[in-house]
Amino acid sequence: DADVTQTPRNRITKTGKRIMLECSQTKGHDRMYWYRQDPGLGLRLIYYSFDVKDINKGEISDGYSVSRQAQAKFSLSLESAIPNQTALYFCATSPIGGYNEQFFGPGTRLTVL
Amino acid sequence: DAKTTQPPSMDCAEGRAANLPCNHSTISGNEYVYWYRQIHSQGPQYIIHGLKNNETNEMASLIITEDRKSSTLILPHATLRDTAVYYCIVRAIFGNEKLTFGTGTRLTIIP
Repeated sequence: DADVTQTPRNRITKTGKRIMLECSQTKGHDRMYWYRQDPGLGLRLIYYSFDVKDINKGEISDGYSVSRQAQAKFSLSLESAIPNQTALYFCATSPIGGYNEQFFGPGTRLTVL
Repeated sequence: DAKTTQPPSMDCAEGRAANLPCNHSTISGNEYVYWYRQIHSQGPQYIIHGLKNNETNEMASLIITEDRKSSTLILPHATLRDTAVYYCIVRAIFGNEKLTFGTGTRLTIIP
């Protein structure tokens, strides 16, 4: 089984809809991250969490919210989706005490019409 | 984070060593060099990291110059599955959680 899983893997939705992307990990890592990737561009950090009670904004958090339900689960929500949120979304984890290397999930391809 | 410069693309014959260069002339003393790769829209995969000594793991070797202004990732026996975009990232361990992926090097392994 994959260490970092994301659901759904693909989603098509309409403008204005609320969408939740979920991430689960079995690596036992405390740190979790959400990134988005646009075609031909690098990854941009949306939110990150060091533990269940710690949530931090990344560089592009506007229009997004997150929930850290447990050490192993970190969800990303788009409260009212808009077309420029169409992107590939990645969840990542990182161990505390390591060298901050990050381990990524397979991604969710989101299309907002 | 220090800026990195990588060639946009490279080819390598299958079975040969692939050597991917990265320039990071503004690297600070507390910044590490990390390498990741991304295979066709899959999640990026961590490869290796180093501070100033050469490093080797089961995937690759990392050679960092003595002045730390450049480095080379070496895939010793490239296979077709190594075709990917390779990203060189320079960052400190603490204080900045963001991984800044540039445009990377698109490595194509030729049969």
